[in-house]
Amino acid sequence: AQTVTQSQPEMSVQEAETVTLSCTYDTSENNYYLFWYKQPPSRQMILVIRQEAYKQQNATENRFSVNFQKAAKSFSLKISDSQLGDTAMYFCAFMVRAGGYQKVTFGIGTKLQVIP
Amino acid sequence: DGGITQSPKYLFRKEGQNVTLSCEQNLNHDAMYWYRQDPGQGLRLIYYSQIVNDFQKGDIAEGYSVSREKKESFPLTVTSAQKNPTAFYLCASSIQQGEIQPQHFGDGTRLSIL
Repeated sequence: AQTVTQSQPEMSVQEAETVTLSCTYDTSENNYYLFWYKQPPSRQMILVIRQEAYKQQNATENRFSVNFQKAAKSFSLKISDSQLGDTAMYFCAFMVRAGGYQKVTFGIGTKLQVIP
Repeated sequence: DGGITQSPKYLFRKEGQNVTLSCEQNLNHDAMYWYRQDPGQGLRLIYYSQIVNDFQKGDIAEGYSVSREKKESFPLTVTSAQKNPTAFYLCASSIQQGEIQPQHFGDGTRLSIL
């Protein structure tokens, strides 16, 4: 079974500053995918960034980047130049294909508040 | 625009009542999922379906039932056997073949007890 740990229940950051959200996971699988989802107050789940485990290069999407350390089973999210619209819950998710369907394990989330 | 539509946005259940949450997708995805979200617990899988007329229990299926009569639709019924149904419910879908793609989510339904 997979587990995903987000050890920071809440974080805050000043607007325009940089913040890093941590995520660790435990698995015996070798082929898997990692995602960060954002859930703003509207409650919609929005994909922020994805990382394939077989890729060594860290994924980047505009102001969002990850630090993927496969050996350490760590997958942190860095948000640069934080904006007020980044205020949301952030969920780390681990995905494998199991018996034909996508088995996804979510962390409990980190609540990020961007302060003006 | 393609996407997932969940309805209603808010739902209230009386004691002993079954209620059904709707989930419709026009993404032509084979697989659909239902998650329950509680504060401090992230998302937990209730049921999933890989193909029409087939579905499997997830981690917390007790007190819930589903059907998959059409590819586009995957309704969730919260039965009276679910003693603590108050939560936020999210429906998702994904493709089944090829490289793994992230799940797409609907906007959710908040269920409360009257």
